[in-house]
Amino acid sequence: SQQGEEDPQALSIQEGENATMNCSYKTSINNLQWYRQNSGRGLVHLILIRSNEREKHSGRLRVTLDTSKKSSSLLITASRAADTASYFCATDAEQGGSEKLVFGKGTKLTVNP
Amino acid sequence: GAGVSQSPRYKVAKRGQDVALRCDPISGHVSLFWYQQALGQGPEFLTYFQNEAQLDKSGLPSDRFFAERPEGSVSTLKIQRTQQEDSAVYLCASSLFRGVRYEQYFGPGTRLTVT
Repeated sequence: SQQGEEDPQALSIQEGENATMNCSYKTSINNLQWYRQNSGRGLVHLILIRSNEREKHSGRLRVTLDTSKKSSSLLITASRAADTASYFCATDAEQGGSEKLVFGKGTKLTVNP
Repeated sequence: GAGVSQSPRYKVAKRGQDVALRCDPISGHVSLFWYQQALGQGPEFLTYFQNEAQLDKSGLPSDRFFAERPEGSVSTLKIQRTQQEDSAVYLCASSLFRGVRYEQYFGPGTRLTVT
């Protein structure tokens, strides 16, 4: 079963525009991570935000986390055609000691040149 | 610096055949994970190793699935008597340290098609 739900499922924008993707999850977490997956390639880690952080930046990426709403958002500014990919949020469980990540179904982003 | 490698990249198996999927993690990485990704879905956790110890196998869908990492480096995921529902991409990931607060590095995956 998958914990996260990304919204929207698909997003199509023009190059230069900003893209916002949202993720909701169900259980308490230690950290939330965002990954990117290009067609036919493996997952690439983008950014990790801890449960006690509210916002984090990395280059053109901005991630927010609202633990009270169990939600996170990923903002990609000034998008490029190379940003076309599927984006997944992944959470870890706060309890149980499990090391696993639980992924959402992903948002498929298309950036048109 | 080599990343996580997986072989084969593609595997076609007839229903009922056994398959073995290999993962070479980044050298020195303690943690190793296997995930299964169905078409259009996010990856789903299968199992986790810390060095050679399999600490979590709660995601293995049935006793036909077996994973090992005997020397704490290379890992093999074996699927016995494959079924059509086993068709998916199998992703391996490794992490330098124990704990999910550390980034997991993923391999390109093995796409398994069971006919």
